[in-house]
Amino acid sequence: GAGVSQSPSNKVTEKGKDVELRCDPISGHTALYWYRQRLGQGLEFLIYFQGNSAPDKSGLPSDRFSAERTGESVSTLTIQRTQQEDSAVYLCASSPGRVQPQHFGDGTRLSIL
Amino acid sequence: RKEVEQDPGPFNVPEGATVAFNCTYSNSASQSFFWYRQDCRKEPKLLMSVYSSGNEDGRFTAQLNRASQYISLLIRDSKLSDSATYLCVVNIRDGGSQGNLIFGKGTKLSVKP
Repeated sequence: GAGVSQSPSNKVTEKGKDVELRCDPISGHTALYWYRQRLGQGLEFLIYFQGNSAPDKSGLPSDRFSAERTGESVSTLTIQRTQQEDSAVYLCASSPGRVQPQHFGDGTRLSIL
Repeated sequence: RKEVEQDPGPFNVPEGATVAFNCTYSNSASQSFFWYRQDCRKEPKLLMSVYSSGNEDGRFTAQLNRASQYISLLIRDSKLSDSATYLCVVNIRDGGSQGNLIFGKGTKLSVKP
């Protein structure tokens, strides 16, 4: 489809393992955001990419979290040495620009055992 | 003062009722405002942008009060399907972190038969 695509939809892994989450934004959208949402909580900003500018990493909770994006294409969020508190839904959103509304993907539900 | 504040609710209203939510923001330089809707275990979806002069979309009316730094969402003739969490989003054109986009924690609405 033409929306934001995230994969996998669900991921269950053991504590201590590394995980990689993928986001495929809407074609032509220069801005891409990653958020985390724990059960019953609000959106927690993680990182923001805008075109070829340096990403805004101010929301990453620890150095176990990192994200990459090449140009205006796919982004990957990597969590190393996962902990149980990393269990959450990870949402990706893209928008045509900074002041434009975002379009969200369905999210990846991450469960750490 | 938090950057974006919303009453978490829940607002429990009967079908057919009119309900209004407010959202206050702290940065007077904020430029763009949006309301999103998030259903349980789903991704946020854009409900409507908020324009300076106020705008209406069917049963939904959004207003902006720059002097008092708040936006509002009014829902008339509530339907059961309006039950969701309503997220206020404030976009700062320049400066700030989080990709210039601040999400409120949301207001939960429950419409009862």
